[in-house]
Parts: sequence; structure tokens; C-alpha cells
Amino acid sequence: EPEVTQTPSHQVTQMGQEVILRCVPISNHLYFYWYRQILGQKVEFLVSFYNNEISEKSEIFDDQFSVERPDGSNFTLKIRSTKLEDSAMYFCASRGRRETQYFGPGTRLLVL
Amino acid sequence: SQELEQSPQSLIVQEGKNLTINCTSSKTLYGLYWYKQKYGEGLIFLMMLQKGGEEKSHEKITAKLDEKKQQSSLHITASQPSHAGIYLCGAAQFYGQNFVFGPGTRLSVLP
Repeated sequence: EPEVTQTPSHQVTQMGQEVILRCVPISNHLYFYWYRQILGQKVEFLVSFYNNEISEKSEIFDDQFSVERPDGSNFTLKIRSTKLEDSAMYFCASRGRRETQYFGPGTRLLVL
Repeated sequence: SQELEQSPQSLIVQEGKNLTINCTSSKTLYGLYWYKQKYGEGLIFLMMLQKGGEEKSHEKITAKLDEKKQQSSLHITASQPSHAGIYLCGAAQFYGQNFVFGPGTRLSVLP
């Protein structure tokens, strides 16, 4: 069964460093999403992406964040200068035209 | 903005007991999804409900969506330790909208 994959599974970085989280959505899907879950808290929407542009973003998704689909398969989330409060689990999701969102296993980011 | 509430916040049951978790929205939902999560891990898709009054079952887990599409319940029959985890409901208010998630219900099943 097709699935969304994410790399790395865990990442540790120093405050102020740039990180790129990678996602490979399901191959024929058109809509892509990033969500964040701070440990012990709700899963929160960050951004949605369709047709090579951001379709919606939340208040969390400030200028430090950017998303990109650099080729036909990857979907990336970049955090330019990480802060301690960016430590969280980051989930990628994708969906086709008339389907539910399928979530990846997540990348756990720890900012020291 | 749409918010989802879940109750109870946490639940401890003895193995073999039945239990119910509820998810409530203040607005009519397009689709309601149930996920299970082990603490600090990924989301495991359980079920999706879309039609008012719809009910789905998988193994010992049954989920229902009310007629107004504002409330859903997740029922586990004869619970087992493998059912332990955090149960999250997620929903979109209209087709294609990003998901909003409830705060989760933490379930512990005592052997």
C-alpha cells in the first residue's frame, strides 16, 4: 500500500541552525501539508501546498518557515534559524483529489 | 475558527472492559477522522466518517458520526493492553480544508 515517508526520523540541531525536513508524498497526490505537534500538545496545521504554491498557512508558519517541492517527488519544510520552541514532531501529509489526507510517520526535531 | 473537543481527557480501564471516547465540534464537519498515537510517535489512521449517522467498525473498534455531523464517538469493546495510546479526532469543515485536531484522549488499559 502506498505511504507517505519522511526523513530523517529524528534530528537534533543547535539553536540558530537551518534544518530541512523531507517528505515523499504518495506519488499521484496533488495536495501536500505540514503539521506540527509539540510534545504533549495538539497536532497543529502549518501549511498546505498545491500547484507549486502555498494555498493556506497558519499563524505559526512565519518568515522562518518555507516549503518547496524541488522535484517531482519530494516536499520539504525548511526552518531558517531554529528556535528552542521549534522542537516538535513534524508531520507531512498528502492527498489526491477526492481522498483523505495520509500522514507520514513524522520527524522529531530537537533544538538545543 | 473550528475547534474540536474530546472527552474524557484520559481514561484508565481494566482489560476486557468496554469504553467510549467522544469528539465534539461546534460546527458541522465535512469529514471526521480518528487516529491513534503512541506518545511521541506517528499517527495511525483508524477510521473516517463522512455521512451523518454513519457507523464503521474495524476489529473491536466502532466509530459513529451523529446525524448533524458535529459529534463522533469511538467505542472499544473488550479492551486489550494493545489498545493503549492517545486517540485523536481530526476534522475538516469543508472538502479540501486542512485538518483541525482534538487534544487527544489518553487511554491506559490495565492487564
